[in-house]
Amino acid sequence: SQWGEENLQALSIQEGEDVTMNCSYKTYTTVVQWYRQKSGKGPAQLILIRSNEREKRSGRLRATLDTSSQSSSLSITGTLATDTAVYFCATDHYNQGKLIFGQGTKLSIKP
Amino acid sequence: AQTIHQWPVAEIKAVGSPLSLGCTIKGKSSPNLYWYWQATGGTLQQLFYSITVGQVESVVQLNLSASRPKDDQFILSTEKLLLSHSGFYLCAWSQTGESAETLYFGSGTRLTVL
Repeated sequence: SQWGEENLQALSIQEGEDVTMNCSYKTYTTVVQWYRQKSGKGPAQLILIRSNEREKRSGRLRATLDTSSQSSSLSITGTLATDTAVYFCATDHYNQGKLIFGQGTKLSIKP
Repeated sequence: AQTIHQWPVAEIKAVGSPLSLGCTIKGKSSPNLYWYWQATGGTLQQLFYSITVGQVESVVQLNLSASRPKDDQFILSTEKLLLSHSGFYLCAWSQTGESAETLYFGSGTRLTVL
């Protein structure tokens, strides 16, 4: 999982497989956001999940949030080569409007 | 539709030289603006944010400064570059700056300091 002092995680899977990326956070937050960053580009938001939501779906994406364990996950079903990117989770540090990004998971999809 | 444009796309500069990076947002009135820095293979670190013209808050001290001379413009600068300034600089905007807010990022500027 990504956060804190952990290095960037790397996952490599075959196209068509499903994948789940995890994120654990250390401080109180009311929202977890997931962003995707393709090589050489700025990140783009994929999903925003609030503390009163356990699960949120968007197309092939599914995010979960467990506030008791301070963890979130992002799953992608039926991966495509175009899903190759770095995925970041981000939380609002003590709800102060400052978005803090995790270390990221580098996902490579082999065609 | 809102657009965010960063310039230049890439810079190669010498240690000790000055730097100015820019960001313009079109189609959005009074956005909150942010500068982020990203080391190669690293996470995004927020540097500055601004909620209005002329007001900029520093989040981390990296011998950089930021200014917001116009509602739609955000400038990042330094008089003296360090090797540690190398990396990817990203400008972003949001609607209000509240926690449940999407950040919209530009395409970034790749800075190499030699």
